[in-house]
Amino acid sequence: EVELVESGGGLVQPGRSLRLSCVGSGFIFEDYAMHWVRQAPGKGLEWVSGISWNSGSIGYAESVRGRVTISRDNAKNSLYLEMNSLRGEDTALYYCVKDVKSGYDVRFYYMDGWGKGTSVTVSS
Amino acid sequence: IVLTQSPGTLSLSPGERATLSCRASQSVSHNYLAWYQQKAGQTPRLLVYDTSSRVTGIPDRFSGSGSGTDFTLTISRLEPEDFAVYYCQQYGRSTTTFGPGTKVDIK
Repeated sequence: EVELVESGGGLVQPGRSLRLSCVGSGFIFEDYAMHWVRQAPGKGLEWVSGISWNSGSIGYAESVRGRVTISRDNAKNSLYLEMNSLRGEDTALYYCVKDVKSGYDVRFYYMDGWGKGTSVTVSS
Repeated sequence: IVLTQSPGTLSLSPGERATLSCRASQSVSHNYLAWYQQKAGQTPRLLVYDTSSRVTGIPDRFSGSGSGTDFTLTISRLEPEDFAVYYCQQYGRSTTTFGPGTKVDIK
């Protein structure tokens, strides 16, 4: 069974940085593309970023492009999201999510495994 | 690609038929459109992918259809556990997007 456990969230001041982490188990982590999807309080799902199995393909939503960096360490079954210049609108629950494919074709697909999320609150 | 879902809220009774719409700002290649269900306090659950393929274990009262820019999720007879928020997602590109969601609540 796919298990994804996020960490690193918290309360942070506007303009500061934060690094989210996710550890995956129950599947061959290095075989799949991975994503960060966020959900602001009471709002819908927003795709933030995705990374292919070998980090060769990376995508970002326009809302975060230039402020966040996604990365992964397959040896540690881990996914990361470095977030800089944080704003109030970045306040959300951040989910680590597994793609159904590897991203070998420079494309992302649908998602079949979700972590419980880590909460990020940006406020002074 | 921007996805629009309608209606925003659908108020129905158990046993009724629910029809949820998802419209894309441009044609979705290969009909790469998925549907997720999210209940309050829970993580999203994949229901349908590739427009009409149901995930193993999802009841057959859930069905997806459509092509191009217009897609539909139909719940033939609502069960009490079906009252939730439903999101569509387009994929098969270097970025992916979700629709804003349709809440199906009890009338």
